[in-house]
Amino acid sequence: DTGVSQDPRHKITKRGQNVTFRCDPISEHNRLYWYRQTLGQGPEFLTYFQNEAQLEKSRLLSDRFSAERPKGSFSTLEIQRTEQGDSAMYLCASSFGVRETQYFGPGTRLLVL
Amino acid sequence: SQQGEEDPQALSIQEGENATMNCSYKTSINNLQWYRQNSGRGLVHLILIRSNEREKHSGRLRVTLDTSKKSSSLLITASRAADTASYFCATDGFDRGSTLGRLYFGRGTQLTVWP
Repeated sequence: DTGVSQDPRHKITKRGQNVTFRCDPISEHNRLYWYRQTLGQGPEFLTYFQNEAQLEKSRLLSDRFSAERPKGSFSTLEIQRTEQGDSAMYLCASSFGVRETQYFGPGTRLLVL
Repeated sequence: SQQGEEDPQALSIQEGENATMNCSYKTSINNLQWYRQNSGRGLVHLILIRSNEREKHSGRLRVTLDTSKKSSSLLITASRAADTASYFCATDGFDRGSTLGRLYFGRGTQLTVWP
């Protein structure tokens, strides 16, 4: 299966620690997206890349968050100095082209204690 | 802020019945997508319907789009217990001053199908 994969699937950390998540998109997809979902809500957009270029960042993405997509392949999302409010499911998606279907990975569930 | 809103928030039916969920949105769109999410899992793509399309089918799923009313519906026929999940609509909202591509989701409809 060559769908979108995310690692880790679950992460528990203490407040103030840094965490990093990885997303591997579908191989031929040039667009990669990060979303965050809290309980009872739909996913909310964080940022997206076209190849290695980060084209847009949401206001939800504070300066503690940074995302990269070196070489236009996998992407990482790092959260520095985590806060309890960062607890959520972090979802990655990829697509081939701007108006095409976005395929989601299984998500990384983050719990900040 | 979220642009799509699904209705109802929760729907409970028996196996074999049809389930209809509605989605309303606020701005012009290029396309609208429906996703399913089982509890605590990732989103599974169901159907993408473009703004120049009015209806689309996939197996037991039927999606309609009315751009004049800024609304869409998802019909699941002959429902099964395995259809129990949250269903989300997502729009691209291309004229909201952002670059193309980001999706806007509603809060979803929680569908429960009883055996």
